[in-house]
Amino acid sequence: GAVVSQHPSWVICKSGTSVKIECRSLDFQATTMFWYRQFPKQSLMLMATSNEGSKATYEQGVEKDKFLINHASLTLSTLTVTSAHPEDSSFYICSATQPADRVLEDEQYFGPGTRLTVT
Amino acid sequence: LAKTTQPISMDSYEGQEVNITCSHNNIATNDYITWYQQFPSQGPRFIIQGYKTKVTNEVASLFIPADRKSSTLSLPRVSLSDTAVYYCLVGSRNTGFQKLVFGTGTRLLVSP
Repeated sequence: GAVVSQHPSWVICKSGTSVKIECRSLDFQATTMFWYRQFPKQSLMLMATSNEGSKATYEQGVEKDKFLINHASLTLSTLTVTSAHPEDSSFYICSATQPADRVLEDEQYFGPGTRLTVT
Repeated sequence: LAKTTQPISMDSYEGQEVNITCSHNNIATNDYITWYQQFPSQGPRFIIQGYKTKVTNEVASLFIPADRKSSTLSLPRVSLSDTAVYYCLVGSRNTGFQKLVFGTGTRLLVSP
């Protein structure tokens, strides 16, 4: 089945520094990837939609200059949290879909998540 | 995007059948209904998807009435390892990708 990986699985950084999180589709090409954020005991919140070769589309309230998204290839999207602060500490999850002509179901594949802690 | 409503939590015992119902009154014609399972500190995992009537796979069944305004996820004979949060979502590929909006989910606790 389709597999999505994330790296790193967890990261601790100091306030004011930047952190990059990678999302890879391992055995399929993903023209579209999504980034979510999840706080403890809460649901996933969609942050942005990442399209290969174009600018990401951010959800309302998500700062595009703070959460930089790059989707340079069909298998890799990166999320960079710039000038991180303790309130950015969260669980970040990416997902990807296969091209519509490759699947019967409209399934979205999720990565294992990245736990970010900003001290 | 269709909004979904689910019970916040449910309790069950091992070996019982669990049915989680989701309301999606504003579902669009092209929308599919998809259920995901999430364990703590893990990404959601696809369980089942359907458009209408009944869908069954090796882990669950999905019942969708004719009006499609609700759906029920049925987990047969749950075990302790089924303790997780279950999300019901609706969405479509109308514009070439599927944008999912997660609701609160249902926190299922399975006890011995």
